Amino acid sequence: DTGVSQDPRHKITKRGQNVTFRCDPISEHNRLYWYRQTLGQGPEFLTYFQNEAQLEKSRLLSDRFSAERPKGSFSTLEIQRTEQGDSAMYLCASSLVGTSANTEAFFGQGTRLTVV
Amino acid sequence: DQQVKQNSPSLSVQEGRISILNCDYTNSMFDYFLWYKKYPAEGPTFLISISSIKDKNEDGRFTVFLNKSAKHLSLHIVPSQPGDSAVYFCAFDAGNMLTFGGGTRLMVKP
Repeated sequence: DTGVSQDPRHKITKRGQNVTFRCDPISEHNRLYWYRQTLGQGPEFLTYFQNEAQLEKSRLLSDRFSAERPKGSFSTLEIQRTEQGDSAMYLCASSLVGTSANTEAFFGQGTRLTVV
Repeated sequence: DQQVKQNSPSLSVQEGRISILNCDYTNSMFDYFLWYKKYPAEGPTFLISISSIKDKNEDGRFTVFLNKSAKHLSLHIVPSQPGDSAVYFCAFDAGNMLTFGGGTRLMVKP
């Protein structure tokens, strides 16, 4: 399977703990996105990378959140000092952006975080 | 400030009939629109898209219509099948990211 993969699929953590999620995009894709989805809502943009450069961050991404894409391939999203409000599905997506017209993003299956 | 709205949280349709899902947007600068489908415990899956230079795009049972003057997007599924039961999100491409509506849950009854 050469789609976007995310690990872990589920994470339960105690409030105040740190968690880290991993995303492996489609190999030839140069753009990688992180989204968050809560129940009854559509995915909300958090941040994106063009190759290894983090080019945009949403105001939803508080200073407890940090994302990296060190070699322009996989990415990690870390949440420090988790709060119950961080409970959500965290979605990673990738796309190939070039000189041609818009292209769709392909999503992974997500990591469901529950903070207790 | 919701830039994309899906006003119907749910829709129930009989198998074989047409499903029409609607989406309204506020920013006339948007030029590329997409529909995604999402099953429980899975990530969204791309379904169909349309550029603002068109008013219709068709792919098999799925047709997307764009009314730029009304800032309205719709997805038609004909004929609807039970396997189409899922949550459908409209989205627009803002250049660097996708902005999604809140979703409509479609239930197709056998």
